[in-house]
Amino acid sequence: NAGVTQTPKFQVLKTGQSMTLQCAQDMNHNSMYWYRQDPGMGLRLIYYSASEGTTDKGEVPNGYNVSRLNKREFSLRLESAAPSQTSVYFCASIRASAIEAFFGQGTRLTVV
Amino acid sequence: GQQVMQIPQYQHVQEGEDFTTYCNSSTTLSNIQWYKQRPGGHPVFLIQLVKSGEVKKQKRLTFQFGEAKKNSSLHITATQTTDVGTYFCAGDSWGKLQFGAGTQVVVTP
Repeated sequence: NAGVTQTPKFQVLKTGQSMTLQCAQDMNHNSMYWYRQDPGMGLRLIYYSASEGTTDKGEVPNGYNVSRLNKREFSLRLESAAPSQTSVYFCASIRASAIEAFFGQGTRLTVV
Repeated sequence: GQQVMQIPQYQHVQEGEDFTTYCNSSTTLSNIQWYKQRPGGHPVFLIQLVKSGEVKKQKRLTFQFGEAKKNSSLHITATQTTDVGTYFCAGDSWGKLQFGAGTQVVVTP
């Protein structure tokens, strides 16, 4: 039982490059989330998807796009990476509202 | 929109001492969750509180949800080196799970 799987684990990008962070869960959860974590800022919500086919903005959506490809997969895309997007990105999934969130191992992204 | 604030941001504790971290929301919460993140790791669920005034215990950890469901606290007794990490509270609002900034706990032997 893999839980929540994120790829890649590490990535270095040049300013202006694009990339997609992948997230997949095998727990048949409805809701999926993308967070970024910066020192002293906690976990800030970028986008979330309450169910397959729906996505909504979180606290810090600018510079990102998401796709809920199916119930299992929720990807995060950086169209033109900026140094301010250097961060650790976490994907999480929840079976239903008000139930615990399961997190992936994180993607450590550096934009130079 | 909903904001979840945590204090203190850092907590240095001598092994064996007690400490408390606090979580406050700008809006009434349907529930509150607590997570622990070890250094270099990912957040791991500890507990969920749902009822007004609810108190739950996990060994040396005591969690409390305020009467107005706008604040919560985590109290750790007899701190051990295994308690090192960052503790986050998270509030659920209409399916949007928002986290506080966390309390980073450092334990001195």
